[in-house]
Amino acid sequence: QVQLVESGGGVVQPGRSLRLSCAASGFTFSSYGMHWVRQAPGKGLEWVAVIWYDGSNKYYADSVKGRFTISRDNSKNTLYLQMNSLRAEDTAVYYCARETIVGATHAFDIWGQGTMVTVSS
Amino acid sequence: EIVLTQSPGTLSLSPGERATLSCRASQSVSSSYLAWYQQKPGQAPRLLIYGASSRATGIPDRFSGSGSGTDFTLTISRLEPEDFAVYYCQQYGSSVTFGPGTKVDIK
Repeated sequence: QVQLVESGGGVVQPGRSLRLSCAASGFTFSSYGMHWVRQAPGKGLEWVAVIWYDGSNKYYADSVKGRFTISRDNSKNTLYLQMNSLRAEDTAVYYCARETIVGATHAFDIWGQGTMVTVSS
Repeated sequence: EIVLTQSPGTLSLSPGERATLSCRASQSVSSSYLAWYQQKPGQAPRLLIYGASSRATGIPDRFSGSGSGTDFTLTISRLEPEDFAVYYCQQYGSSVTFGPGTKVDIK
């Protein structure tokens, strides 16, 4: 079935790095734009980054620009988020999500279960 | 950046009642880029409505979306026990933003 599975979360000290992965299955991964969205404990959803289906374009939220890098390996059906210079405010559940395009509409139709990142000394 | 405001913050209703959730944008949003999501505790968000008014696959017809420009509405015609959750609106224009959410809880 269509599925996204995140991994790589954990506890990390401020200033350190972490790389998240999102393994896709059940669909043609290379045909879809992919996003990372995060949710701090008890808070709402915050968009983090997007990468186009072929990796040709990437965009970031201002809060992570210059520190996080989104990438993908279409041969491995995997999305990544490299997180550097982590801060306490980056503590959140990180979700990967598939962007669907139906006609002129855009939305996130498939979400992973999320992986928790805790930045703490 | 387009800011989305959702109201009310919390909606307390009984099963069988009608729920009306509002999402207001700080500037005009193309209806094509307005979506609604449902999130239950400990779960990932689930797409309900895309293009402001189209139901996603498998979403019951008690959920409906409407609106245009800066004002959008999600309506749940008759609340079922499984509908008590948090609902987020999202716009995907020049960037992506989510509203702060409306919690629908049991009265």
